[in-house]
Amino acid sequence: DILMTQSPDSLTVSLGERATINCKSSQSVLSSSNHRNYLSWYQQKPGQPPKLLIYWASTRESGVPDRFSGSGSGTDFTLTISSLQAEDVAVYYCQQYYSLPYTFGQGTKLDIK
Amino acid sequence: EVQLVESGGGLVQTGGSLRLSCAASGFTFSGHWMNWVRQTPGKGLVWVSRINGDGSNIAYADSVRGRFTISRDNAKNTLYLQMSSLRAEDTAVYYCTRTVVGFDSWGQGTLVTVSS
Repeated sequence: DILMTQSPDSLTVSLGERATINCKSSQSVLSSSNHRNYLSWYQQKPGQPPKLLIYWASTRESGVPDRFSGSGSGTDFTLTISSLQAEDVAVYYCQQYYSLPYTFGQGTKLDIK
Repeated sequence: EVQLVESGGGLVQTGGSLRLSCAASGFTFSGHWMNWVRQTPGKGLVWVSRINGDGSNIAYADSVRGRFTISRDNAKNTLYLQMSSLRAEDTAVYYCTRTVVGFDSWGQGTLVTVSS
């Protein structure tokens, strides 16, 4: 199984500041055939299901604000929120869909300072 | 608008069975892979099972293989998860999700509680 490890476990950031969440996979999730990273990011607010933010490591899902961006390749990935808004308070998860079983990171809780 | 609505959760005794359903609407159900994902406070999000559009390609997490069965009825636009030999560690909120790239749509979830 591919182990997904996020850091930090929790993060507090001031409104308008940048938030950065890291995700490391125990094996590469980069496909040699299509050069795509099989890595997604999700946002989960209290009492709600997760919401897809980013897929292919850096492609924003339709409707996701452009302050959210994803980067990285191979085994190291980053989700960046460029200017934190109050509505961004949530838990964020990375997930690999490169191989079964699909696996998620443990989550990073993001709060406002 | 894509909608996924789970049902069938509840309280069940250890060793018991339960069938979850997920009613889909707003998209061509038969054209999409579907998954079940569960979430517990302690273990976060865990993928459980997936099925392709015509039901011919199925996979399970090791923790549920042999006890859970995923299926779908494309005529009814419904995804199922038959759960048997339930254990305390199966207690979770169960979500059905649609796969396009990543899990792009999620239901609200249904709570399964396994208790002795």
